[in-house]
Amino acid sequence: EVQLVESGGGLVQPGGSLRLSCAASGFTFSSYAMHWVRQAPGKGLEYVSAISSNGGSTYYANSVKGRFIISRDNSTLYLQMGSLRAEDMAVYYCARLGAGGAAWGQGTLVTVSS
Amino acid sequence: QSALTQPASVSGSPGQSITISCTGTSSDVGGYNYVSWYQQHPGKAPKLMIYDVSNRPSGVSNRFSGSKSGNTASLTISGLQAEDEADYYCSSYTTSSTWVFGGGTKLAVL
Repeated sequence: EVQLVESGGGLVQPGGSLRLSCAASGFTFSSYAMHWVRQAPGKGLEYVSAISSNGGSTYYANSVKGRFIISRDNSTLYLQMGSLRAEDMAVYYCARLGAGGAAWGQGTLVTVSS
Repeated sequence: QSALTQPASVSGSPGQSITISCTGTSSDVGGYNYVSWYQQHPGKAPKLMIYDVSNRPSGVSNRFSGSKSGNTASLTISGLQAEDEADYYCSSYTTSSTWVFGGGTKLAVL
């Protein structure tokens, strides 16, 4: 069974940093591009970042470019978030998107507040 | 990448059928047969209902169906039930090798 489990969310002050992790199991992690999608309170889904299967290619939405860094190792996806702003407050989902279906984690909440 | 366009809300009575549209461009919906639909209940993670335009994952009711014509994809729910009340999002692969989501549609079962 495919499982994605996010962790690392919490309360952080504006301007602070946080690293999210997503532990993957049940599939060959190294064969898939991976993605982060977020959802601000009461809002829709926003595609945030992606990394290719071998980690050699990355993508960032304009809203986070220059502040967030996506990375991966053997079976874990990461999102290093810096210079956090109030508008970054959201539930962050790790997802395996692609042809043939998708899998999502349960999400981790990031709260940005002083 | 601009978000795909969905109606903000739709409604229907139990037993009826409803259709939610999702309009993009030739760079996303129109260019690939990689459109997905998600159902999201409050406080829950999105649940995949349709992938690759018209395929249902195992366990999803056959009351849910998907289709595409040109730059517009559609999700149809037949035999509407109370538990279908939720937010629905479409998503498409894009020419940038990324994914884009629709703004979401709130379905009310009256």
